[in-house]
Amino acid sequence: DGGITQSPKYLFRKEGQNVTLSCEQNLNHDAMYWYRQDPGQGLRLIYYSQIVNDFQKGDIAEGYSVSREKKESFPLTVTSAQKNPTAFYLCASSIARQGGGEQYFGPGTRLTVT
Amino acid sequence: GDSVTQMEGPVTLSEEAFLTINCTYTATGYPSLFWYVQYPGEGLQLLLKATKADDKGSNKGFEATYRKETTSFHLEKGSVQVSDSAVYFCALSRASGGSYIPTFGRGTSLIVHP
Repeated sequence: DGGITQSPKYLFRKEGQNVTLSCEQNLNHDAMYWYRQDPGQGLRLIYYSQIVNDFQKGDIAEGYSVSREKKESFPLTVTSAQKNPTAFYLCASSIARQGGGEQYFGPGTRLTVT
Repeated sequence: GDSVTQMEGPVTLSEEAFLTINCTYTATGYPSLFWYVQYPGEGLQLLLKATKADDKGSNKGFEATYRKETTSFHLEKGSVQVSDSAVYFCALSRASGGSYIPTFGRGTSLIVHP
């Protein structure tokens, strides 16, 4: 079955440590996105990538970094510079330039930093 | 910039009641409009979409019509079930420079009682 996988589902880290969240898709989609979800805040865009080796900052990129070395993979690193990293993180993909921008989401990773 | 405004929740209904969740948007150009649904602890799933004015999206008894004159995309269902309890997100996606830029509303929680 085609889809998006995110791992792990739950992640715990100590303050001051960097942590990398995995996102893999086998839908052959060009575009991939990372969102942060906080209670009552909806989804906020962190980074997105329309093509391999290229990515753009979203609305809340500070304290995060990404890479896009393969079409299938778009890992997100939450750095120690992110002031409030505890949140639910969602990865999504879409067909670039077609379909109106419909997004396919992974199951999410809940990150807790103490 | 683009924005999506949807009614605050929670919306609490009895089974078989009529559902309306209001959504209005602000965007330049001609965005595509979407409704996504999120069940507890999961990612978002596309519920329905409309890509041009006067289009009606429908799925699983839910409907929404793209109204350009009122910049609205209200979600309706004639008879809700307990299993419809979830958070519903209105979203738009606008083409810009060959990319699709997504914007989400804050989400509306729906609780359906037996």
